Amino acid sequence: GQQVMQIPQYQHVQEGEDFTTYCNSSTTLSNIQWYKQRPGGHPVFLIQLVKSGEVKKQKRLTFQFGEAKKNSSLHITATQTTDVGTYFCAGRGNEKLTFGTGTRLTIIP
Amino acid sequence: DTGVSQDPRHKITKRGQNVTFRCDPISEHNRLYWYRQTLGQGPEFLTYFQNEAQLEKSRLLSDRFSAERPKGSFSTLEIQRTEQGDSAMYLCASSLSLRTLNNYGYTFGSGTRLTVV
Repeated sequence: GQQVMQIPQYQHVQEGEDFTTYCNSSTTLSNIQWYKQRPGGHPVFLIQLVKSGEVKKQKRLTFQFGEAKKNSSLHITATQTTDVGTYFCAGRGNEKLTFGTGTRLTIIP
Repeated sequence: DTGVSQDPRHKITKRGQNVTFRCDPISEHNRLYWYRQTLGQGPEFLTYFQNEAQLEKSRLLSDRFSAERPKGSFSTLEIQRTEQGDSAMYLCASSLSLRTLNNYGYTFGSGTRLTVV
């Protein structure tokens, strides 16, 4: 079955530093979505990427979808304490989403 | 609309008992999903409905698990003869999927945390 892996599993950064998480799928995806889950909360939808090589930005967040539609990345510029949480990518191969293993981001003030 | 609602928020049950969870999706959404999440892991797919039809079940879902979505509105997830390994957060999500457009993100509920003792 489809597998979606993320690295790193954990990331600790000083406030103001940049952060990147990488997502890799075992199969080609029709699209990929990113979610954020705050500690004790539930996943919240951030964005969807559909096209090969697509890049989208949301303020300090930049999302990329690989040319082969099998990998993706999320980059946060100048992290803030509000960025704390676990970031999941989720790949759509057929009709459902397969979630990645997540990258847990902690911020050192 | 207040989003996706799940009930109860927490459930503690003894091993061997049956439990049932309820999910009320966003009313405009035609798809409803059940996921399970354990500590430190990503949500794991269990099953999903389009309107009232259950279209897919995970191979990981044993016969002790059953889900329904009567009339395409709310959904229930029942676990029979619970085991300690069933302890997890059970998340419900809904989305809108149209024939011409299938790019809406999932809206998750706050989940039901099940503890089997």
